[in-house]
Amino acid sequence: QVQLQQSGAELAKPGSSVKISCKASGYTFTSYYISWIKQTTGQGLEYIGYINTGSGGTNYNEKFKGKATLTVDKSSSTAFMQLSSLTPDDSAVYYCARLGLLPNWFAYWGQGTLVTVSS
Amino acid sequence: DIVLTQSPALAVSLGQRATISCRASESVRSSMHWYQQKSGQQPKLLIYGASNLASGVPARFSGSGSGTDFTFTIDPVEADDIATYYCQQSRNDPLTFGSGTKLEIK
Repeated sequence: QVQLQQSGAELAKPGSSVKISCKASGYTFTSYYISWIKQTTGQGLEYIGYINTGSGGTNYNEKFKGKATLTVDKSSSTAFMQLSSLTPDDSAVYYCARLGLLPNWFAYWGQGTLVTVSS
Repeated sequence: DIVLTQSPALAVSLGQRATISCRASESVRSSMHWYQQKSGQQPKLLIYGASNLASGVPARFSGSGSGTDFTFTIDPVEADDIATYYCQQSRNDPLTFGSGTKLEIK
């Protein structure tokens, strides 16, 4: 069965960076895009962007350009998202999710990674 | 960006029908999808392409609509359906979500 296993919670200081991982299993990793979504109580669910796991090509929501960097390691079927120059507004639960052959719906989701930014 | 508007909450009695609406700020054709999120869990896809049931999802759940107005229905409502339901569009980039409708039991 399809599974997306995310890395554990992070506590980071303002101005620093964090890198979250999302290990996929149960399907051919390079056949589907992986997307990342931010969830906060105030802003709800926000789409950050997606990565083409075969080519490494990326597409970002304008709002998250310069904040998020998406990469993949095909050898380990793992997607990564690095968040840089962290501020308290970056505190949220971040999900990875598998898209289809096109960026359409999010068929499978990871369990989420809580990122807390605090001095 | 396309804005999706949902009412914040809905209270329904067990065994009755729950209808949740989602209105898009511009046409998304049939590129509308619905998710269920229970407390402390990740969202789960229920409906894709406005009316298609995702794999393993009970037939109690259904979706309809096109253009700017969409409806998500649970009939009949069961206790396990307590959750927040989100719509999401994929017609335009960036993909956007509604703010969610919290389903409560009367």
